[in-house]
Amino acid sequence: DAMVIQNPRYQVTQFGKPVTLSCSQTLNHNVMYWYQQKSSQAPKLLFHYYDKDFNNEADTPDNFQSRRPNTSFCFLDIRSPGLGDAAMYLCATSSGTTQETQYFGPGTRLLVL
Amino acid sequence: SQQGEEDPQALSIQEGENATMNCSYKTSINNLQWYRQNSGRGLVHLILIRSNEREKHSGRLRVTLDTSKKSSSLLITASRAADTASYFCACYGNNRLAFGKGNQVVVIP
Repeated sequence: DAMVIQNPRYQVTQFGKPVTLSCSQTLNHNVMYWYQQKSSQAPKLLFHYYDKDFNNEADTPDNFQSRRPNTSFCFLDIRSPGLGDAAMYLCATSSGTTQETQYFGPGTRLLVL
Repeated sequence: SQQGEEDPQALSIQEGENATMNCSYKTSINNLQWYRQNSGRGLVHLILIRSNEREKHSGRLRVTLDTSKKSSSLLITASRAADTASYFCACYGNNRLAFGKGNQVVVIP
């Protein structure tokens, strides 16, 4: 089945230690998104790629970066995680022709010690 | 902001009852979408209603949109225990989705 896959499902890192979260998709969608969701809060868009074009949200901290080496994969890099970065990180995709409906992966729960 | 705000934020009902959730937003939108999130999981798209539509159905789901009041409602009929989840409205505009904080719905068997 076509889907959005996130690995790992749970990630533990140390304060200040770089961490990378990965997302892959078999939907062949043009657009890939990264959201941060803290407990009992709305998902917050960090950035998205339309093909190779990177679009950063204005309030996304510089600590967060992303890479999209090909259509199928997208990575979220947190350069120096702080305690406040502990959250669920959701990857989503949408078709380039109708960007409206988004398809989400199961998320990666990040814990910062 | 476009971000939706759901009401009520928590709802507990008996299995078989209907569950109604409301969402309000502040700016113009292209469409409004509802998503479900089971605990600790990703979001699943439920239904999309465009700004020129007033009502839409999908299975046991009914969504309405009142652009003059900038509000939407989601009705789940004949609820089941498996409907227990958080439900988010999301406003689509400016090429992005803006999510509300979500409704926590608990369906008691």
